[in-house]
Amino acid sequence: DAKTTQPPSMDCAEGRAANLPCNHSTISGNEYVYWYRQIHSQGPQYIIHGLKNNETNEMASLIITEDRKSSTLILPHATLRDTAVYYCIAPGRFDRRFYFGSGTKLNVKP
Amino acid sequence: DAGVTQSPTHLIKTRGQHVTLRCSPISGHKSVSWYQQVLGQGPQFIFQYYEKEERGRGNFPDRFSARQFPNYSSELNVNALLLGDSALYLCASSFPGNTEAFFGQGTRLTVV
Repeated sequence: DAKTTQPPSMDCAEGRAANLPCNHSTISGNEYVYWYRQIHSQGPQYIIHGLKNNETNEMASLIITEDRKSSTLILPHATLRDTAVYYCIAPGRFDRRFYFGSGTKLNVKP
Repeated sequence: DAGVTQSPTHLIKTRGQHVTLRCSPISGHKSVSWYQQVLGQGPQFIFQYYEKEERGRGNFPDRFSARQFPNYSSELNVNALLLGDSALYLCASSFPGNTEAFFGQGTRLTVV
């Protein structure tokens, strides 16, 4: 099961892009990378996931490096409501358990 | 369409007591997982159930048990509560395979 590492905190100005990095150097070829966020002890909210190709949805973009050892979650225009803890997760190959780690606390400032 | 629902939302128990937490998955989801989140930490995996069978268990003592019912809802049971069991308990449901899991809002358990 891949372990992920993320910076403990990041700041971003409101309206600017937030780029959240994640290292997952032990990920195997068929393990997806998932991103969730958690706002003030609510349940984690799904953001996006990907395997090899870059992905985009209405919330964010996910850029995965060609060697798949790292990825970046991009929030294109951060708002104050994006202040949350962001988790990068690579679920186990044979089950669906998520190893959350400590995540990155994103502080969006006015 | 309703999301994952958990009950109760808050609960206060005394050390040594027993607690049952409940989870209803999103309609059509057959996999349910349970997580414990202690204040200041990320959620930790407790159990996964699929088609009413346990498919995975995290590093938790035997005081923790769970089951899944024919309608795919699930219960998490914790016996002989300790102060350290105070946490937010989260339930997630998903389709099988590499698809996203959706979390409920959790049950806040306080053991006094």
